Amino acid sequence: AQTVTQSQPEMSVQEAETVTLSCTYDTSENNYYLFWYKQPPSRQMILVIRQEAYKQQNATENRFSVNFQKAAKSFSLKISDSQLGDTAMYFCAFIYNAGNMLTFGGGTRLMVKP
Amino acid sequence: GAVVSQHPSRVICKSGTSVKIECRSLDFQATTMFWYRQFPKQSLMLMATSNEGSKATYEQGVEKDKFLINHASLTLSTLTVTSAHPEDSSFYICSASDLGTENTDTQYFGPGTRLTVL
Repeated sequence: AQTVTQSQPEMSVQEAETVTLSCTYDTSENNYYLFWYKQPPSRQMILVIRQEAYKQQNATENRFSVNFQKAAKSFSLKISDSQLGDTAMYFCAFIYNAGNMLTFGGGTRLMVKP
Repeated sequence: GAVVSQHPSRVICKSGTSVKIECRSLDFQATTMFWYRQFPKQSLMLMATSNEGSKATYEQGVEKDKFLINHASLTLSTLTVTSAHPEDSSFYICSASDLGTENTDTQYFGPGTRLTVL
């Protein structure tokens, strides 16, 4: 069974600064996919970034980037130039095959302070 | 990305009644949809996997007779909470994958339905 762990229940960052959210996972699969989802106060789950495990290059989406360390089973999210709108719950998630269930971490609540 | 809608966004019902929640994929077809439940300040908990044209697969501990799932078309799955009780009050979220794209592994989420049972 796969497990996903987010060790930081809450974090805060000053506006315009950089913050890194941690995520580790455990799996015996070799090919899989990792995601970061954002859940703002509206509670709509929004895809932030996606990483394919067989690609060594770290995924980036504008101010969001990941540090994917496959051997260490680590998948951290870096948010650069933090904005007030980044305030949300962030969930790390794992899937090993399309059509299968997502396994979520417990979430990290991020507060961006003005 | 693909768009998933849910209806209603919020529902209040009396104990003992049944409530139906709809999940629609608006611009793609989804052979598989997923239903989650989320308690305040917690992560999403998978309830069941909804398969078009066949029976849903329920996670351990989820009562299939209480949470009826119907996936009658490639764009619609419904979750019916039967004989609702106050402990069923929660936030229910559905998701689906767009199998017509490269990233079939990516799930897109509906906006959720807040159920309150009085």
